[in-house]
Amino acid sequence: QVTLRESGPALVRPTQTLTLTCTASEFSLSSRGMSVSWLRQPPGKALEWLARVDWDDDKFYSTSQRSRLTISRDPSKNQVVLIMTNVDTVDTATYYCARTGPGLQPFDLWGQGTLVAVSS
Amino acid sequence: DIQMTQSPSSLSASVGDRVTITCRASQSVSSWLAWYQQRPGKAPKLLIYKTSTLEDGVPSRFSGTKSGTEFTLTISSLQPDDFATYYCQQYNSYPYTFGQGTKLDIK
Repeated sequence: QVTLRESGPALVRPTQTLTLTCTASEFSLSSRGMSVSWLRQPPGKALEWLARVDWDDDKFYSTSQRSRLTISRDPSKNQVVLIMTNVDTVDTATYYCARTGPGLQPFDLWGQGTLVAVSS
Repeated sequence: DIQMTQSPSSLSASVGDRVTITCRASQSVSSWLAWYQQRPGKAPKLLIYKTSTLEDGVPSRFSGTKSGTEFTLTISSLQPDDFATYYCQQYNSYPYTFGQGTKLDIK
C-alpha cells in the first residue's frame, strides 16, 4: 500500500531543535518528478506549508520559516527529514508530510500526521 | 506570498442542500488551485485539482469553477459524509499557500 508516515518526538522543549522523519512505502521518493513537502497545522487552525524537496534534491522553503528549516532526502532509506531549530510554543502543531508529482501538482498523498507539542 | 482568502469561515447546512465555498487569490494563480476535505483528527484529502478536475473516487456532486482569481467549490447535494472542513490551496508558485478553511456542519 502506498503510504507516507511521519515520525518524531511528541514533546520538545522551547529553544530545542525538532527533527521529523517522513518514510515512504511502496513508492520511491527518488522517482523522476517526485517531491515531498512538510506542512503543519496548529490545533484548530489552518494548514501551513513549510518546505519541499524534489527528486533531484532541489529545495524550497516557506518565506516566514526558511531561516529555521532544513529539509533533506535520504534515498537509501526512502525518507525525507525536516529539521526545525529554536522551536517555540507557537510551533505546537500536527506536522504532515505530503507528496506531489511532476510539474505543478497538488498534494495527492498525505501521511497521517504527527502531533508535536512544544512546552517547558 | 500569495494570500488565499476563503469564505465563509463556517457554514451550517442540511443534508440535500447545495453549498458554495469561495476562495480568492491575491494575484493570479492561473488554474493551479486545489480543494481538500479534512475530517477531525485526519489528514486532508484531495478533492479537486487544477480548479475543476475531480480526484479519482471523488463523487460528482463536488465541482470547482473559476472566475478570474476567484475560485468556487460547490457541493450540489450535501451528504452526511460531507460535513467536514474544506481548504483551498494554490500551487502556482512558492510558497504554497492555503485558505483559512471553511467548517461545514449540520444545521
